[in-house]
Amino acid sequence: KNEVEQSPQNLTAQEGEFITINCSYSVGISALHWLQQHPGGGIVSLFMLSSGKKKHGRLIATINIQEKHSSLHITASHPRDSAVYICAVSPNTGNQFYFGTGTSLTVIP
Amino acid sequence: DTGVSQNPRHKITKRGQNVTFRCDPISEHNRLYWYRQTLGQGPEFLTYFQNEAQLEKSRLLSDRFSAERPKGSFSTLEIQRTEQGDSAMYLCASSLFEAHEQYFGPGTRLTVT
Repeated sequence: KNEVEQSPQNLTAQEGEFITINCSYSVGISALHWLQQHPGGGIVSLFMLSSGKKKHGRLIATINIQEKHSSLHITASHPRDSAVYICAVSPNTGNQFYFGTGTSLTVIP
Repeated sequence: DTGVSQNPRHKITKRGQNVTFRCDPISEHNRLYWYRQTLGQGPEFLTYFQNEAQLEKSRLLSDRFSAERPKGSFSTLEIQRTEQGDSAMYLCASSLFEAHEQYFGPGTRLTVT
């Protein structure tokens, strides 16, 4: 079973488009994380949130705890945003992360 | 501090050989995690340490895998008698507290031929 589901799996967008990536989870959590992974493997943490909404530059993350759902939005997308975006959750019980399979985003100039 | 580092970055080995990877976490972080990632998948949890104590191991961590974190600083992950199915990216991450933001290393890509 997959504790974390992401959609879409792959996404291609034109530069400037507004992008939304969705994440649903099935366990009780203490926090949800959005991660960015570029080709070559390095993972960077974008957001950690447990309620509401966070914004950093052109990136916005929201979470609805009751619906067990989070979204990552990218405004005015740019080719340098091309990467894999991974949703991960810290469950209430246990100490490991559960990861989604990632959304591969390609932004075309 | 320059973040989490991992060595080597790439390792090619023949089936049946033993390999060892090293992870140096951010110095004040007491939690250290090992993950494995195969192509097209998200990372999968292998094990984690709080200081020098290994507190949880995944079922994915067969008896061919062993991890240590002597003195609660760097950690090593050893795979004995490697198999082709062990080919993956092995990621290390560290964090200050439970459920806190994790900082990832660049990973070690293992190819077993």
